[in-house]
Amino acid sequence: AQSVTQLDSHVSVSEGTPVLLRCNYSSSYSPSLFWYVQHPNKGLQLLLKYTSAATLVKGINGFEAEFKKSETSFHLTKPSAHMSDAAEYFCVVSEPRSSNTGKLIFGQGTTLQVKP
Amino acid sequence: GAVVSQHPSWVICKSGTSVKIECRSLDFQATTMFWYRQFPKQSLMLMATSNEGSKATYEQGVEKDKFLINHASLTLSTLTVTSAHPEDSSFYICSARDRSRASGRADTQYFGPGTRLTVL
Repeated sequence: AQSVTQLDSHVSVSEGTPVLLRCNYSSSYSPSLFWYVQHPNKGLQLLLKYTSAATLVKGINGFEAEFKKSETSFHLTKPSAHMSDAAEYFCVVSEPRSSNTGKLIFGQGTTLQVKP
Repeated sequence: GAVVSQHPSWVICKSGTSVKIECRSLDFQATTMFWYRQFPKQSLMLMATSNEGSKATYEQGVEKDKFLINHASLTLSTLTVTSAHPEDSSFYICSARDRSRASGRADTQYFGPGTRLTVL
């Protein structure tokens, strides 16, 4: 069965410093992995996705993530945090294409706080 | 591209009334739409999968007679909360999956902005 673990429920950084949000996954197949961001009382916005192409994925707003199969990780990074990055971040894995359900499995989320 | 809208964005209703929430894919066709519920400070909980032209598939523990889902077209799914009670108060979010594999977005769900339901 597929699962996702976000290793930190809360991360606090200062503006201008790097961001690292950690995610480990468990999957019996080659997964599709996603990072979504949710600002308060808003829907989810896709930051980036990995679908078995390049292992280093670049997303919007300066975020990127690296798929490491040997470590079963898909950590999200950004070189320099901005105040507007403060939000909830979800690491997500999709069920296999063969199941044809299209379902997503969500991590529990990481709250990113950015201090001035 | 890949915009999903929800209407209304918030609704307040009296206990016992029914509330309908619409989810639309604005610039793509969605064979499948998903309905989630989110409690404060928590992750999303999948309620049901809505396939165009067929019955919705509900997750375990979700009452299908309570949460009626209709997916009448490739761009519209509706969720009706029937006989709403205060415990149904929540943030409801829909998502849509792009039908076209050629677009490169076939495995991606695009989310609506959510609907805040408050039942008094």
